[in-house]
Amino acid sequence: DVKVTQSSRYLVKRTGEKVFLECVQDMDHENMFWYRQDPGLGLRLIYFSYDVKMKEKGDIPEGYSVSREKKERFSLILESASTNQTSMYLCASSLGRGRGESQETQYFGPGTRLLVL
Amino acid sequence: DQQVKQNSPSLSVQEGRISILNCDYTNSMFDYFLWYKKYPAEGPTFLISISSIKDKNEDGRFTVFLNKSAKHLSLHIVPSQPGDSAVYFCAARYNFGNEKLTFGTGTRLTIIP
Repeated sequence: DVKVTQSSRYLVKRTGEKVFLECVQDMDHENMFWYRQDPGLGLRLIYFSYDVKMKEKGDIPEGYSVSREKKERFSLILESASTNQTSMYLCASSLGRGRGESQETQYFGPGTRLLVL
Repeated sequence: DQQVKQNSPSLSVQEGRISILNCDYTNSMFDYFLWYKKYPAEGPTFLISISSIKDKNEDGRFTVFLNKSAKHLSLHIVPSQPGDSAVYFCAARYNFGNEKLTFGTGTRLTIIP
């Protein structure tokens, strides 16, 4: 079974703080993703990565950055947290096209609910 | 611009009956579609998918139908069970380039015992 873990289930931070959300997958997946989920808006892609040290912007990258120094770990960084970043953050991973799988799915972690005060 | 739309935020269905969840998309370049199910306090889990070369895919109680001309897909659950109560997201992807998924806004399904 694929396991995607996220460092915290719940997090409370103050406006202006730097926030790190960590995600680890144990299946040697090439692709990793960060989403946020908000009521009425579904899941929106923030950033994704196809390989170590590679990253691409998703639909809503403003106010966020990412780091992928090791294949199994993908970190989301809120440089200066703001109240509009209060949300549920979901990490996902998938196998990767290079292995001949063109239709495999993304596997999600349990999510981190972040509250910015 | 919401490229994948789920126009029903919620749906209630009697246990044992059929649940039909709908999804519309606007981008004709999408050609692979997925449904995910999400329980509270858990991440979404993959349910079923369909490629644009098909119009139907079935897996046990779950069937997904795709109407490319109408840019519409639907998920049928029959018979519905209490454990099916969850939020369902449809998602779409290009079959080339990157593996980015575009998600709909979700439909909360409640199965009434």
